[in-house]
Amino acid sequence: AQSVTQLGSHVSVSEGALVLLRCNYSSSVPPYLFWYVQYPNQGLQLLLKYTTGATLVKGINGFEAEFKKSETSFHLTKPSAHMSDAAEYFCAVSEISGSARQLTFGSGTQLTVLP
Amino acid sequence: GAVVSQHPSWVICKSGTSVKIECRSLDFQATTMFWYRQFPKQSLMLMATSNEGSKATYEQGVEKDKFLINHASLTLSTLTVTSAHPEDSSFYICSAGTIYEQYFGPGTRLTVT
Repeated sequence: AQSVTQLGSHVSVSEGALVLLRCNYSSSVPPYLFWYVQYPNQGLQLLLKYTTGATLVKGINGFEAEFKKSETSFHLTKPSAHMSDAAEYFCAVSEISGSARQLTFGSGTQLTVLP
Repeated sequence: GAVVSQHPSWVICKSGTSVKIECRSLDFQATTMFWYRQFPKQSLMLMATSNEGSKATYEQGVEKDKFLINHASLTLSTLTVTSAHPEDSSFYICSAGTIYEQYFGPGTRLTVT
């Protein structure tokens, strides 16, 4: 069975500071890993994903994540936080279910950006 | 491309009535769709996997007779909450995808009074 652990349900950073959101996973097969962002009362928007190949993945809005197999981690970073980054962030791992990928989500991290 | 829509975006209904939520893949065919439920300040919990032309697969603890799922075509899945109660109030999100990625709908806010 696959699972995801997000360390820190709330993270606060100052505007312009480094953003680091932590994600560790457990999977019995090589994982596909995802980071999603959710703004209030909205659906999920894909930030980035890792499937195969390069372990450093760049996404939208200046975010990136690095897949570290030895540490079973997929932490999300952004060099300089912007006020518009304030949102809920979910890490997810997936496995094949029929003809699609079934996602298992972490508990989420609420990012607050302080002026 | 890869747009998933949900309708309605929000709905208020009285206790004991039924509510239907539609999930559509607008520009691709989705053999498999997923339905999630999200309580305030919590993560998404998978309710069921909807397969076109066959019965849905429900996660443990989800009442299949209460949450009816129909996937009649490759672009439409529906979730019907039957005999709704206030505890069914939640944010329901669907997704559709391929073996590479899932695409999420904008969600439906259900409030049962």
